[in-house]
Amino acid sequence: AQSVTQLGSHVSVSEGALVLLRCNYSSSVPPYLFWYVQYPNQGLQLLLKYTTGATLVKGINGFEAEFKKSETSFHLTKPSAHMSDAAEYFCAVSSYTGGFKTIFGAGTRLFVKA
Amino acid sequence: GAVVSQHPSRVICKSGTSVKIECRSLDFQATTMFWYRQFPKQSLMLMATSNEGSKATYEQGVEKDKFLINHASLTLSTLTVTSAHPEDSSFYICSARDGRSYSGNTIYFGEGSWLTVV
Repeated sequence: AQSVTQLGSHVSVSEGALVLLRCNYSSSVPPYLFWYVQYPNQGLQLLLKYTTGATLVKGINGFEAEFKKSETSFHLTKPSAHMSDAAEYFCAVSSYTGGFKTIFGAGTRLFVKA
Repeated sequence: GAVVSQHPSRVICKSGTSVKIECRSLDFQATTMFWYRQFPKQSLMLMATSNEGSKATYEQGVEKDKFLINHASLTLSTLTVTSAHPEDSSFYICSARDGRSYSGNTIYFGEGSWLTVV
């Protein structure tokens, strides 16, 4: 079975500060890893994904994440937070052997202070 | 590009009635679709995996007789909430797997459907 743990249900940063959202996964097979963002009352938007290859993945809106197999982590970062980044962020895992079911973490609400 | 469309985006129904939500893949054939529900301020919970032409596989704890899933074609899966009750009010999201070889098995999510049972 696969699972995802997001550390911190709420993260607050100042505008212009570094954003770091933590995600650890559990998977007995090579994982596919994702970060999604959800704005209030809206659907999901894919920020970035890791499947194979380069472990540092760049996504939209200046976000990036690094797959670290030894740490079973896939933390999301952004060098400088913007007010528009305030949203709910979900880390997710899937796999070929798991039938591509996407399993989501509990989510982290990002607050950005002016 | 590939898009997954859900309809309706919002629906209000009376308690005891049934409501159907459609999930369509546009531009690609989706042999596999997934249904999730999301309660307010919570994460997405996988309800079932829907494979074209076969019965859906439900996750543990999901009532298959209450949440009927039909995947009759390669571009359409439907979720019917039968005998809906207020506790079924939720945000329902589908996703579809693009199985074409060059797509890398990309998963596309629909925009979601808000169900309110009154």
